[in-house]
Amino acid sequence: DTGVSQDPRHKITKRGQNVTFRCDPISEHNRLYWYRQTLGQGPEFLTYFQNEAQLEKSRLLSDRFSAERPKGSFSTLEIQRTEQGDSAMYLCASSSSHAGTGFYTTFGSGTRLTVV
Amino acid sequence: LAKTTQPISMDSYEGQEVNITCSHNNIATNDYITWYQQFPSQGPRFIIQGYKTKVTNEVASLFIPADRKSSTLSLPRVSLSDTAVYYCLVGADKLIFGTGTRLQVFP
Repeated sequence: DTGVSQDPRHKITKRGQNVTFRCDPISEHNRLYWYRQTLGQGPEFLTYFQNEAQLEKSRLLSDRFSAERPKGSFSTLEIQRTEQGDSAMYLCASSSSHAGTGFYTTFGSGTRLTVV
Repeated sequence: LAKTTQPISMDSYEGQEVNITCSHNNIATNDYITWYQQFPSQGPRFIIQGYKTKVTNEVASLFIPADRKSSTLSLPRVSLSDTAVYYCLVGADKLIFGTGTRLQVFP
């Protein structure tokens, strides 16, 4: 178990470009989450999947954002027509809904996006 | 989802015990209480989780009173490396973060 992996670690893009991030969860975890974190704030929930089904999307997730988890394993988060306000750390996390005694969510190290 | 309230910041010195209290008045019956630690430019890291009474692991203790409307994370003998933001969360399906408690440990 190598934990939750996110790629890339850093991304600098010009305003208006599209970017895509990838997350590989812990293999036996069936739930996958995306969060966004800006400086000095706690992570904000964006969306989560159980297996390949996207069960919830935050209202923070505008129509420029889309997340997929096509085979219930890795996930991608795409941001179209990036804006400077999209600059943040994007965190992926995974957990198991089958945990017998509660659960805890394991986070990746994040992808830091800078829109210039 | 239950909202949590915790102090914005705390200061301590190396070797002291630090207790961070979190209130969660609207906790639901099936909610667990989970604490995370986050260092700059890293994802949050799980510290401890509990449902009721006391839980202890190798890094911390978690005290939960019978009414479960609050919880206290106890860090014994903190060191400089414990300087971080600590988040208290309650939930079952997804975690909603507040702004956390910024702990600064001084030598």
